[in-house]
Parts: sequence; C-alpha cells; structure tokens
Amino acid sequence: AQSVAQPEDQVNVAEGNPLTVKCTYSVSGNPYLFWYVQYPNRGLQFLLKYITGDNLVKGSYGFEAEFNKSQTSFHLKKPSALVSDSALYFCAVRDSAGANNLFFGTGTRLTVIP
Amino acid sequence: DGGITQSPKYLFRKEGQNVTLSCEQNLNHDAMYWYRQDPGQGLRLIYYSQIVNDFQKGDIAEGYSVSREKKESFPLTVTSAQKNPTAFYLCASKTVYGYTFGSGTRLTVV
Repeated sequence: AQSVAQPEDQVNVAEGNPLTVKCTYSVSGNPYLFWYVQYPNRGLQFLLKYITGDNLVKGSYGFEAEFNKSQTSFHLKKPSALVSDSALYFCAVRDSAGANNLFFGTGTRLTVIP
Repeated sequence: DGGITQSPKYLFRKEGQNVTLSCEQNLNHDAMYWYRQDPGQGLRLIYYSQIVNDFQKGDIAEGYSVSREKKESFPLTVTSAQKNPTAFYLCASKTVYGYTFGSGTRLTVV
C-alpha cells in the first residue's frame, strides 16, 4: 500500500530565506512523486514531479524538490521565499498498480513573513 | 482555453436534500476524479472514472453517486445519506503530469 506523510501542518519562513516543505512516502515499486500548490478557494496547481532520472527536480515558480530513495523523502525547496509563495502545499504519490490513482498527503500551510 | 470547469462555486444544501455538482472538461481526458477536502485531512477520493460509462468507488463513496455518460462530464450527486457533506469538492482529470484540477465547489449545509 502507498502512503504519503507531510509531518508539518504549518511552516513559517521569512521573505528571502530558503524554504523547505517536507514529504516522506511509502510505496511498493518505483515511486512517482508530485507536488501541488493550492491558493484559497482554488483547485490544486501542479508544481513538479519525479518519475525517473535526476534526483533534483526543477518545477514552476522557482521550486525544486530532491528525491532521496534511501530516506524515502521528496522535500520541496526554494532558495529564496516570496510572500506570494504563501499557500497550502500537497505532496502526492501515484499508485504503482491498478488504477494509478494519486494519494495525497494532508498538506502543509506555508506562510512567508514579510 | 482548455481546462476543467466546476459549477457552482458555492452551493447551499438543506437537510435531506440531494444536490448535484457539475464537472466538465474539454481536455479529452479519459480519467476523471472527485475529491473531498476537509481542513487538516488533505484530499480524499470519492469516485473515479477511467472511461465513459464506467466508474469506481474511492475511499469515501458512501452518500455520494456519480455518472459518466459523456467523456466531457462527470457530475457528482451528494445525497441525503451523506451525513456531513459540508466540504470543498474538487474534480480532476488525469494527464501525463499527474492531475489537472477544477477550481472547486464549496458545499455548505444550512
């Protein structure tokens, strides 16, 4: 069975500082991993994905994520946070069998403080 | 401009009433999904459909029903059997990049 954990409900960071939003996963087989962002009363927007290849994945809006197989982690990072990055972030893993549905973590609310 | 359209944006339901949430896509995607979002619980899968005229229950299907008569449309009915329907509902379709989401419908019981 697959699962995703986002251990932090809330992350606060000062504008201009680097940010990290944590995600760990459990999946049988090769993991397909995703990050999405949600702004208030909106749907989720795709940020980036890891399927195979380089462990460092670059995505939209300057975000990147590092796949670490030994630690089963896929942390989202950005070198310099913007106030506009404040939102709810979801990590997801794709079901490796059957319908290939996505399983989402519970989300991490990022607040960037001016 | 391709995408997923959910309507209405806000919906109010009286106790014992059935309501239907609309989801339309013009992306020509086969697979479509309905999720429910509650604070602190992330997204939970209600129903999904891999192809027209076929759909499967997700993790929390009780009190909900769907249909998939057309590729473009995947409406969700929240029945009176759903005891706690107040939530944000998201429709999605599957792409090679994962999922594309609609803007959601916020349902409130009054």
